[in-house]
Amino acid sequence: EAGVVQSPRYKIIEKKQPVAFWCNPISGHNTLYWYLQNLGQGPELLIRYENEEAVDDSQLPKDRFSAERLKGVDSTLKIQPAELGDSAVYLCASSRGTSGGQETQYFGPGTRLLVL
Amino acid sequence: GQQVMQIPQYQHVQEGEDFTTYCNSSTTLSNIQWYKQRPGGHPVFLIQLVKSGEVKKQKRLTFQFGEAKKNSSLHITATQTTDVGTYFCAGPSTAGGTSYGKLTFGQGTILTVHP
Repeated sequence: EAGVVQSPRYKIIEKKQPVAFWCNPISGHNTLYWYLQNLGQGPELLIRYENEEAVDDSQLPKDRFSAERLKGVDSTLKIQPAELGDSAVYLCASSRGTSGGQETQYFGPGTRLLVL
Repeated sequence: GQQVMQIPQYQHVQEGEDFTTYCNSSTTLSNIQWYKQRPGGHPVFLIQLVKSGEVKKQKRLTFQFGEAKKNSSLHITATQTTDVGTYFCAGPSTAGGTSYGKLTFGQGTILTVHP
């Protein structure tokens, strides 16, 4: 089966500009995750969707970050405006069911964001 | 809140030497998962351990879940250059004894192997 697809793979923007990332999970996977990974750190969850519903967005900086998962399939993560500290890798992952922490998560290749 | 800690942060070995990374959680875990991330790559699932004291093997990799289900280890026998990468453990986030539907990742152990 095809893996998790993310685009773009790389993005360089100037601070205060908006940026959007797109994720297509593995077909049939109900749960979708957006993670932030800083250099030398483990992934940190930003938001988790079960189908169309955002069930955990406690770590999402809502003043500048937004996400959506229309129709319970693809998802977009947006930052507006971007700040220098947002430079990181943004990983999307999906899992089959809705048990969250009990399930194997499949990660996409990530989007490497550099804010200048 | 729950913390998942890994040691060491870095490990440099000569090819053929063994390698072990340790993972400790501040709370009891219902399961623990291990992921590997190659340089420039993304985390890839290796294994999940569920039972207290469980030991699983994948070729040269041995995974162990502690009796108290608060710690785990990954041991690689006779490392190869293909083992290079960062190894993460991850456990379900918990609060008040309730397991929530997300994983908390450790900070990872970066393994380099010198040929």
